[in-house]
Amino acid sequence: GAVVSQHPSRVICKSGTSVKIECRSLDFQATTMFWYRQFPKQSLMLMATSNEGSKATYEQGVEKDKFLINHASLTLSTLTVTSAHPEDSSFYICSAREGLGANVLTFGAGSRLTVL
Amino acid sequence: AQKITQTQPGMFVQEKEAVTLDCTYDTSDQSYGLFWYKQPSSGEMIFLIYQGSYDEQNATEGRYSLNFQKARKSANLVISASQLGDSAMYFCAMREGRGTSYDKVIFGPGTSLSVIP
Repeated sequence: GAVVSQHPSRVICKSGTSVKIECRSLDFQATTMFWYRQFPKQSLMLMATSNEGSKATYEQGVEKDKFLINHASLTLSTLTVTSAHPEDSSFYICSAREGLGANVLTFGAGSRLTVL
Repeated sequence: AQKITQTQPGMFVQEKEAVTLDCTYDTSDQSYGLFWYKQPSSGEMIFLIYQGSYDEQNATEGRYSLNFQKARKSANLVISASQLGDSAMYFCAMREGRGTSYDKVIFGPGTSLSVIP
């Protein structure tokens, strides 16, 4: 089945630094990837839709300048949290569909970001 | 406005018993899909079952079945013969759109299920 790899699984950084999270589709091409954010004991909130070769589509209330998304190839999307602050500490998880007609989202294992 | 409602923040079930997790949704689309995902404490999202809005039969996957009542806009998950490993968060989710790769999936607030030995 489809596999989505996400790296790093955990990252701790100082306030003010930038952190990059990678999301790769290992055995399929993904023209679209989705980035979610999950605070403790809460649900997944869609942040943005990452489109290969074009700009990402951000959900309302998500700062595009703070959460930079780049989808440079059909198998790689990256999320960069710029000038991270403690309130950005969260679980970030990416997902993709295998194939144009697929319904099921396959998720990466997630990245837990802690900003000190 | 919240589109997915899961009214049970927490549920307990005895091992080997069946349990139903509730989910109602709101959409004006004719074409949509409904999912259930399981999230254990490790954080990974595990796909359990999918129901398309035009599917006439309720979806089943092993011990999981989806009780789809379209007119009531409900998509309850039934887990039969609960196992200790079923203890996790369960999220109901909905895909809106025309079945393209761009379709968003939104999640409900989740239900925490605890299986008691």
